[in-house]
Amino acid sequence: DVKVTQSSRYLVKRTGEKVFLECVQDMDHENMFWYRQDPGLGLRLIYFSYDVKMKEKGDIPEGYSVSREKKERFSLILESASTNQTSMYLCASSLDSSFSYNSPLHFGNGTRLTVT
Amino acid sequence: AQSVTQPDIHITVSEGASLELRCNYSYGATPYLFWYVQSPGQGLQLLLKYFSGDTLVQGIKGFEAEFKRSQSSFNLRKPSVHWSDAAEYFCAVGSNRDDKIIFGKGTRLHILP
Repeated sequence: DVKVTQSSRYLVKRTGEKVFLECVQDMDHENMFWYRQDPGLGLRLIYFSYDVKMKEKGDIPEGYSVSREKKERFSLILESASTNQTSMYLCASSLDSSFSYNSPLHFGNGTRLTVT
Repeated sequence: AQSVTQPDIHITVSEGASLELRCNYSYGATPYLFWYVQSPGQGLQLLLKYFSGDTLVQGIKGFEAEFKRSQSSFNLRKPSVHWSDAAEYFCAVGSNRDDKIIFGKGTRLHILP
């Protein structure tokens, strides 16, 4: 079974701090994704990556950046955390390197970030 | 633009009753369709997917879904729900235009004992 591991279940950070959310997958998947989940808004795609050192903006990239130095690891970075970034963050991976739209996603358990 | 609509934000059913969760999509070609479930405090887990072929697809945990092109729907069903089915359910469509998966806003299922 694919395992996607997010390093923290809960994080509390202060406004203006630089925040790193880490995600590791163990099945050699090509594609990795970061979503945020908010009540009533569902899942919104922040960034995704098809390969090492590659990144693509999703629907809501503002205020975020990402890093993919190794195939199995995809990091989400909040350069200067703000209260409106308080949310549940979900990392996911998928196998197909040709396309991502037809390849099922495998999710981590999420990181609930609170910015005070 | 591609979109996914789940008309029901909350649904409550009694344990043992049948269940149908609705999903409608807007998409120009044959869609790739998914249902995911999120139990409390967990990430999303794939229940089933439809790519082509038989329009009735079977998934895990006793769920099934039927693709109806004429209605642009992909409704999720289960004949008899269990208390452990209480969760949030997300319908999703794969968009080849954007090369990404688009999620509906979810339906939260509550089970009465």
